[in-house]
Amino acid sequence: QVRLMESGGGVVQPGRSLRLSCAASGFTFRTYAMHWVRQSPGKGLQWVAVISNDGTNKYHADSVKGRFTISRDNSKNTLYLQMNSLRAEDTAVYYCAKDLYSSDWYSWSSDYWGQGTLVTVSS
Amino acid sequence: QSALTQPASVSGSPGQSITISCTGTNSDVGGHHYVSWYQQHPGKAPKLMIYEVSNRPSGVPDRFSGSRSGNTASLTISGLQVEDEANYYCSSYRSSNLVFGGGTKVTVL
Repeated sequence: QVRLMESGGGVVQPGRSLRLSCAASGFTFRTYAMHWVRQSPGKGLQWVAVISNDGTNKYHADSVKGRFTISRDNSKNTLYLQMNSLRAEDTAVYYCAKDLYSSDWYSWSSDYWGQGTLVTVSS
Repeated sequence: QSALTQPASVSGSPGQSITISCTGTNSDVGGHHYVSWYQQHPGKAPKLMIYEVSNRPSGVPDRFSGSRSGNTASLTISGLQVEDEANYYCSSYRSSNLVFGGGTKVTVL
């Protein structure tokens, strides 16, 4: 079955960096676009970034553009989120999510989500 | 402030029908078919309930349905059940981004 497992979260000081990973299994990872979505404590969902199935095309939310970078390694079935210059407002549970369709483009819907990893930005 | 507007809460008794609205603009909800709905129980990951405005993934009960009129999408739950108590989020494509609504808490009375 499809499984997504995030890791790499933790407590980090403002201005520092962190890299999240998402290990995928149970589906042909290299044929699906992937997303990162976050949720601040007690708040709603906020989309962070998407990457195409081959990694050549990616988009980031304005709130993280220039600070966060989504990437993937299809040989390792792993999705990444490099987070630099972290701010208090980046504190959230970060979910990786699989795009709905096996396609060269995006469906902008996610049918499988990981359980999330908590990132806390605090001094 | 969220990009898409949802009511903060909706409630209903078991067996009743409720509808959650999601209002955007013609640049998102009203401009294409990439509108989705997610259910999230406390402490759990979101679950896809509706995609492309009105399509149900396999395994989602048919009491969940989606529709759209102009710039407002709607999720209707017919025959409300206790397990439907959760938070619901709409999302829509907008200019190479994905935007979410602020979420609606559904309470089963």
